[in-house]
Amino acid sequence: NAGVMQNPRHLVRRRGQEARLRCSPMKGHSHVYWYRQLPEEGLKFMVYLQKENIIDESGMPKERFSAEFPKEGPSILRIQQVVRGDSAAYFCASSPGVSGQFFGPGTRLTVL
Amino acid sequence: QQQVKQSPQSLIVQKGGIPIINCAYENTAFDYFPWYQQFPGKGPALLIAIRPDVSEKKEGRFTISFNKSAKQFSLHIMDSQPGDSATYFCAASTNTGNQFYFGTGTSLTVIP
Repeated sequence: NAGVMQNPRHLVRRRGQEARLRCSPMKGHSHVYWYRQLPEEGLKFMVYLQKENIIDESGMPKERFSAEFPKEGPSILRIQQVVRGDSAAYFCASSPGVSGQFFGPGTRLTVL
Repeated sequence: QQQVKQSPQSLIVQKGGIPIINCAYENTAFDYFPWYQQFPGKGPALLIAIRPDVSEKKEGRFTISFNKSAKQFSLHIMDSQPGDSATYFCAASTNTGNQFYFGTGTSLTVIP
């Protein structure tokens, strides 16, 4: 049973470009969470999704950020018109329900 | 507003010592309290978790102590080893599982 998979592991973008981060949850998990982590800081919740639904996006910036978890395929976190302040590690976690979350290895986004 | 307060921010112990990391919360609706271990460049990994119906849970060298009346819980690492050097995060969630609230992390260094 493969763990949570994220790709790419590292992503470099120039200011103004778009960043697309992908997350494939563990088999059997229908809950997906996205977090952002800055160096030396904790995990900041961004969004919680179930298949085809956004359940809680209270942690996501109102502009430029969007997330989806389609019926088929991975969950995608999309950042439009990236700025330097978007540089961070973005982690995806999945869960089978109301229990522990299992994290992927993260995508490290660098905005030049 | 930090839903889960974690301390200390960093901790250095000698090999064989027993580091203790503390977390406190306010929301009495929280009923699931996991701890995560994160090594540099990796995603957080679920270490051990507890629910409020027990006061202590032990898995190998890791023990969670839970004080429901004080709304506090702590992680103890017995016979600590240099390989335990990592950042540890506590978290809390409600039974709806919509969102996990993470502490700010404790950087543990175990000196050989």
